[in-house]
Amino acid sequence: DAGVIQSPRHEVTEMGQEVTLRCKPISGHNSLFWYRQTMMRGLELLIYFNNNVPIDDSGMPEDRFSAKMPNASFSTLKIQPSEPRDSAVYFCASTPKQENTEAFFGQGTRLTVV
Amino acid sequence: QKEVEQDPGPLSVPEGAIVSLNCTYSNSAFQYFMWYRQYSRKGPELLMYTYSSGNKEDGRFTAQVDKSSKYISLFIRDSQPSDSATYLCAMRWGSSASKIIFGSGTRLSIRP
Repeated sequence: DAGVIQSPRHEVTEMGQEVTLRCKPISGHNSLFWYRQTMMRGLELLIYFNNNVPIDDSGMPEDRFSAKMPNASFSTLKIQPSEPRDSAVYFCASTPKQENTEAFFGQGTRLTVV
Repeated sequence: QKEVEQDPGPLSVPEGAIVSLNCTYSNSAFQYFMWYRQYSRKGPELLMYTYSSGNKEDGRFTAQVDKSSKYISLFIRDSQPSDSATYLCAMRWGSSASKIIFGSGTRLSIRP
C-alpha cells in the first residue's frame, strides 16, 4: 500500500484565496483525521471522521475551515478565505477499524498564505 | 488546560546518553498510549505503543506508563545522532472511533 497520500505537498497562496487540501487514506481504514502543526501550537486535531461521518469538529478554528469526506477513499480540507495565520503544515492520518491502533500519517501539506 | 502536556524542549544531549521524554495528561479515559518520531519535513511515524501501566521495551527504547499519576515516559538508551528528531506522545480512548490527541512534541538533538 502507498500509505496516506496528501496533495499538494506545498501550497503558496495569497490572503483571501480559497485553499483546498486533499487526502487519500489507506485502503480499508475507517477513521480519518486532519491535523495542523505549527511551532507555537504543536500538532492540533482539527476534525476527524469515522466511516465517512464527521465525529468531532471542535478543533476547527473558524467557520472559514470546512472538511468533507464524500467516500471512504477521499477527504478534503478547505479554507475560504485564507489568512496568513493559517500558514502551517496540515497532516492527514488514517486508522484501521480495530480498537487500540495507531494513526498512519501522510507527508503533509505545507501551506503558506502571503 | 490542554488534555496532553509535553515539554517542547529543545533538548540537546551527547551521543551515548540516556534520554528521558515525558508527557502528562488530564483525561483518565485515555487507554492507549503512543510515541511518535518525526524527522524534519516528514510526517510522524509510530515508534512504540502500550495500553497498560508499566514498562514496554523495544531495543534501545522503553515506554513507561503510570496511569495513577497520568504520566508517560519514553527512555532512549545509548542515544545516537540518528535519534535526533521531534518526539510526540499521543493518546486515545479504547474505542476504534475515538480521537487521537498529541502532545506538542519535544525536539531532541544528539551531539556526536
